[in-house]
Amino acid sequence: AQSVTQPDIHITVSEGASLELRCNYSYGATPYLFWYVQSPGQGLQLLLKYFSGDTLVQGIKGFEAEFKRSQSSFNLRKPSVHWSDAAEYFCAVGDSGGSNYKLTFGKGTLLTVNP
Amino acid sequence: GAGVSQTPSNKVTEKGKYVELRCDPISGHTALYWYRQSLGQGPEFLIYFQGTGAADDSGLPNDRFFAVRPEGSVSTLKIQRTERGDSAVYLCASSLGSGGYEQYFGPGTRLTVT
Repeated sequence: AQSVTQPDIHITVSEGASLELRCNYSYGATPYLFWYVQSPGQGLQLLLKYFSGDTLVQGIKGFEAEFKRSQSSFNLRKPSVHWSDAAEYFCAVGDSGGSNYKLTFGKGTLLTVNP
Repeated sequence: GAGVSQTPSNKVTEKGKYVELRCDPISGHTALYWYRQSLGQGPEFLIYFQGTGAADDSGLPNDRFFAVRPEGSVSTLKIQRTERGDSAVYLCASSLGSGGYEQYFGPGTRLTVT
């Protein structure tokens, strides 16, 4: 079964600093990969996704992520964090085979942004 | 346009009671999903509908949980004989289709079983 590990439960960065959130997955083939953001009282919002092709994907709000097959990783990055980026971030894996509708999420990383 | 809506936003019930949670997907979305998010965890898949039928209910934890989507739009998640361990946020999502289409999530229903 597929699984997702987000090693960092909580990260604190200063506004304007760069950010990298880690995500490692376990899956037999190349999965579908997603990053979602969840703000308090809000639904999960998709930041970006990877299905195939260019391993560096651009998303909304200035985020990008890089798929590294050799490391089974899909880390999320942003060059300069804004206070409004404070939220919880979830990495998710989708089955690229028959059950391609089913997402498996990591436990999330809570991002705090200091002024 | 309108996103996925879920009602109620909060539900407090006593152990052993029956509850229904409602999801209104985005108009035209044929696929609908239910997830459960416990405290400190990511969402966990419960069930997937394509149209009116439950195409995959493998994530439902036991037979106290049941979901319907009779007209291929609104869905109701039903929990019988609630237990304290059922306390969680129940998330609904919808998408244009399956197989990699973006899933749009609602704000969730926070269920507390006392």
